[in-house]
Amino acid sequence: DAKTTQPPSMDCAEGRAANLPCNHSTISGNEYVYWYRQIHSQGPQYIIHGLKNNETNEMASLIITEDRKSSTLILPHATLRDTAVYYCIVRVAANDMRFGAGTRLTVKP
Amino acid sequence: GAVVSQHPSRVICKSGTSVKIECRSLDFQATTMFWYRQFPKQSLMLMATSNEGSKATYEQGVEKDKFLINHASLTLSTLTVTSAHPEDSSFYICSARGRPPSTDTQYFGPGTRLTVL
Repeated sequence: DAKTTQPPSMDCAEGRAANLPCNHSTISGNEYVYWYRQIHSQGPQYIIHGLKNNETNEMASLIITEDRKSSTLILPHATLRDTAVYYCIVRVAANDMRFGAGTRLTVKP
Repeated sequence: GAVVSQHPSRVICKSGTSVKIECRSLDFQATTMFWYRQFPKQSLMLMATSNEGSKATYEQGVEKDKFLINHASLTLSTLTVTSAHPEDSSFYICSARGRPPSTDTQYFGPGTRLTVL
């Protein structure tokens, strides 16, 4: 599976959009981009995933660049409860999830 | 989304004893289950993968005789830490993946915090 690069930490003001970037320049055509988050002392929570097209669900939006070498997870209106470590993972469908260091997002009042 | 439960959520045991952790998929059939371990301030590390009715596949460096995994049904997997020692103290998290069309996504349990005294 392709390697991903994420900033180690980010801050966001409560109520504003949080935009979390992820670089995956070696992604191959059959690899999906997944996002999970882990709130302190809990198991990871699935957020969203995509292959080529942008995706949106009730939690977030996923924007994938046309060359698929990077993506952005958007939390449209961040709340204090969105403070967590966010993981971007790239993998083919049948493979297991392997976690990097992720981005620690802190939402501030 | 799909729900995965773990039991117990927290366990404290004495050195040398064995501890069993259960992982259940509550609303889907999990053809594949995964066990991860997470030490403080570190990311999750995959320990092993198991398919229902088959032996688990362990990651390099994970002792299969120490971490016994059983995936006896499509909704239950267990991890037994045998002869636990203080260095086995960690946060253990299971994950499950279902049948098509939902094979792509892994769902995670809430984790079990093991403390070995």
